[in-house]
Amino acid sequence: DADVTQTPRNRITKTGKRIMLECSQTKGHDRMYWYRQDPGLGLRLIYYSFDVKDINKGEISDGYSVSRQAQAKFSLSLESAIPNQTALYFCATSDFRGTGTGELFFGEGSRLTVL
Amino acid sequence: GEDVEQSLFLSVREGDSSVINCTYTDSSSTYLYWYKQEPGAGLQLLTYIFSNMDMKQDQRLTVLLNKKDKHLSLRIADTQTGDSAIYFCAGGNTPLVFGKGTRLSVIA
Repeated sequence: DADVTQTPRNRITKTGKRIMLECSQTKGHDRMYWYRQDPGLGLRLIYYSFDVKDINKGEISDGYSVSRQAQAKFSLSLESAIPNQTALYFCATSDFRGTGTGELFFGEGSRLTVL
Repeated sequence: GEDVEQSLFLSVREGDSSVINCTYTDSSSTYLYWYKQEPGAGLQLLTYIFSNMDMKQDQRLTVLLNKKDKHLSLRIADTQTGDSAIYFCAGGNTPLVFGKGTRLSVIA
């Protein structure tokens, strides 16, 4: 089983609909992230959380919100989806405690299409 | 904040060496990373280098770090068709900042 699991893996929706992408991890990491990938633009950070009570905006947070329901769960919501939010979304985790290198561990991605 | 730049495309013949280049702006990055993304998959850490190192070698992979010029490179020796993927350079202290990715195409 994957250590970082994203659901759904694919979703097609219409403009104006509310969408939630969910992420859960079994790695026991304290830090979780949501990135968005667009062709030619690389990965851009949407939101990140260093623990359950900590939420931070990233580079492109407008139009998105997040919830850290537990250490292992971090969900991303689009309250009213628009076509330019069509992208591949990645959840990632990291653990900076101990001797970790701070590397990120990624889920398989959630492909969202907004019509 | 950190800014990471890399070229978007690289095409090489099977068996040749590939060199993917990256420049970054934040000299305080503790580690610099190379991630690989195969088609339809998430990103996997390929290798990383500690900021006080100049070079790191791992089988077919060689990472070179020029701190003065803030330049990072990834060399893949004897490139194979299975190396075709998008390669991302990443740096900065948490959270990481990624480059736009270099798409490596290997021609048989």
